[in-house]
Amino acid sequence: EAGVAQSPRYKIIEKRQSVAFWCNPISGHATLYWYQQILGQGPKLLIQFQNNGVVDDSQLPKDRFSAERLKGVDSTLKIQPAKLEDSAVYLCASSLVFQGTYEQYFGPGTRLTVT
Amino acid sequence: AQSVSQHNHHVILSEAASLELGCNYSYGGTVNLFWYVQYPGQHLQLLLKYFSGDPLVKGIKGFEAEFIKSKFSFNLRKPSVQWSDTAEYFCAVTLNTNAGKSTFGDGTTLTVKP
Repeated sequence: EAGVAQSPRYKIIEKRQSVAFWCNPISGHATLYWYQQILGQGPKLLIQFQNNGVVDDSQLPKDRFSAERLKGVDSTLKIQPAKLEDSAVYLCASSLVFQGTYEQYFGPGTRLTVT
Repeated sequence: AQSVSQHNHHVILSEAASLELGCNYSYGGTVNLFWYVQYPGQHLQLLLKYFSGDPLVKGIKGFEAEFIKSKFSFNLRKPSVQWSDTAEYFCAVTLNTNAGKSTFGDGTTLTVKP
């Protein structure tokens, strides 16, 4: 089966600019996650979707970050305006159903550098 | 809030040495536990998981982990490592609820010398 697709793979922007990331989960996976992974740290959950509804966005900095999952399939994560501390790898993951016992399948990530 | 602690940031071993990576979590409720691995240049992928039953779980490539509820631990082990095990290893906890959120540790980088 095809894996989780993400684009772009790399992005360099200046602070105060905006950026968007795209994710296409594995076909049939109802749950989609966006994580931020800062160098030297583990992935931190930003937002979790079940189909096209938000289940958890408690750690999403809503003043600058937004995400949507229209039609319950692919998703976009946007940062506007970007700050230096947003430099990180942004990971998208999906799982078959929304239960804690199901493993997550990760995409390759987008490495964002904010200068 | 739940948290995951991985005690070793970087472990260096020679081939055939035994491996144990520590993982402790803080949460009093029912949890599901995972170890994920990221090989150089590859995606994060599942190594093994525990959600109920036998607390000793076996994963791919000869890895195993033991869930000790009283110690809030889920340590990863392998009796004899290979050079190809060089990777970053992440422990993760997911609450066993319908609103379960995953929390990852900060990872352990394992370097195996040939």
